[in-house]
Amino acid sequence: DAGVIQSPRHEVTEMGQEVTLRCKPISGHNSLFWYRQTMMRGLELLIYFNNNVPIDDSGMPEDRFSAKMPNASFSTLKIQPSEPRDSAVYFCASSHAHYEQYFGPGTRLTVT
Amino acid sequence: GENVEQHPSTLSVQEGDSAVIKCTYSDSASNYFPWYKQELGKRPQLIIDIRSNVGEKKDQRIAVTLNKTAKHFSLHITETQPEDSAVYFCAATRNQFYFGTGTSLTVIP
Repeated sequence: DAGVIQSPRHEVTEMGQEVTLRCKPISGHNSLFWYRQTMMRGLELLIYFNNNVPIDDSGMPEDRFSAKMPNASFSTLKIQPSEPRDSAVYFCASSHAHYEQYFGPGTRLTVT
Repeated sequence: GENVEQHPSTLSVQEGDSAVIKCTYSDSASNYFPWYKQELGKRPQLIIDIRSNVGEKKDQRIAVTLNKTAKHFSLHITETQPEDSAVYFCAATRNQFYFGTGTSLTVIP
């Protein structure tokens, strides 16, 4: 298995632009998590899905952030409009039955 | 919700010495406790985990202990090596994962 796949690996965009991050979980995993990591705030859970259904989105910072999981093998995290304070590394992770969560390589987002 | 506290935030040890990182949690319903190692610029990687029906688990130089009554668990690394230098995160989970704030471990050659 290729593990959790994320794209793009790096994204540089200007303030106000829309950003879409993509994730393909490990096949057979039924839970998917989006995290944001910064030096100041550490690792923050943004949202997680179970069987493609959003279960807890209380970590989503504001309405500019949205996430979807249209099927078991694909999820997106969208930021519109982006702001410089959104600069961070965004990780997607997947697990089966809430155990052994595996992280993707992350997307390093820079908003100028 | 769950609250996970992790100590210390930084730890320096001499190569060959042991390192211990401790975490406490608040939700007695949490039943799975993984530890992750994150090297600079890399993703967090699962290194060891323990479930609530087990008190201790060991994998070569690393071990994890769990005290359910006191609601704390610890990571033990013996015979530390420079390549153990990284940030280590604990987590407690029932459904979603609640991560500690991380411990930056430096092993001095």
